[in-house]
Amino acid sequence: NAGVTQTPKFQVLKTGQSMTLQCAQDMNHEYMSWYRQDPGMGLRLIHYSVGAGITDQGEVPNGYNVSRSTTEDFPLRLLSAAPSQTSVYFCASSYSSGGGYTFGSGTRLTVV
Amino acid sequence: ELKVEQNPLFLSMQEGKNYTIYCNYSTTSDRLYWYRQDPGKSLESLFVLLSNGAVKQEGRLMASLDTKARLSTLHITAAVHDLSATYFCAVYLSGTYKYIFGTGTRLKVLA
Repeated sequence: NAGVTQTPKFQVLKTGQSMTLQCAQDMNHEYMSWYRQDPGMGLRLIHYSVGAGITDQGEVPNGYNVSRSTTEDFPLRLLSAAPSQTSVYFCASSYSSGGGYTFGSGTRLTVV
Repeated sequence: ELKVEQNPLFLSMQEGKNYTIYCNYSTTSDRLYWYRQDPGKSLESLFVLLSNGAVKQEGRLMASLDTKARLSTLHITAAVHDLSATYFCAVYLSGTYKYIFGTGTRLKVLA
């Protein structure tokens, strides 16, 4: 099994550009989440999904959109990139609402 | 709003020594996870603690949970260099599908 696959691993954007971070899992997990990791702040929840067609906001949703058209995929869209969105982004999935996460390898995003 | 605090944030210790990392949280929860992250890598699940008084051990790491005190500890016994990493606790908000992570403890074990 590949687990949770994130692409790209690295990305540099200019302010105002848009892009989509891809996340796919092959474990048939219903629950998927996006986190951002910033120094000294741990991981903060951006958006999450409890199944295909169902998404909700986390702690820091502004500037990001998500959709969940299939169980496998949970892309994160940056609408208009800002330097404050420079971060490492992790996608994670879980087999149940209280189950532990399997994390992807992360995407390091720099907005200049 | 659930707040999760870890301390210390940074820990430098000699090989062979013992130490404890603390994770305090501000509201009730019925489960807590500990994760490890190596530099530049993803997070790896270490332990899940599901009830008051739960204790889990693997190798030199032992985690415990006191839900009444809203406190979890990660105890390191006779540290070795390979344990150098950042450790996170994550508290589950019951019924919300959300986990809130602590700020992490960066552990460096000196040979």
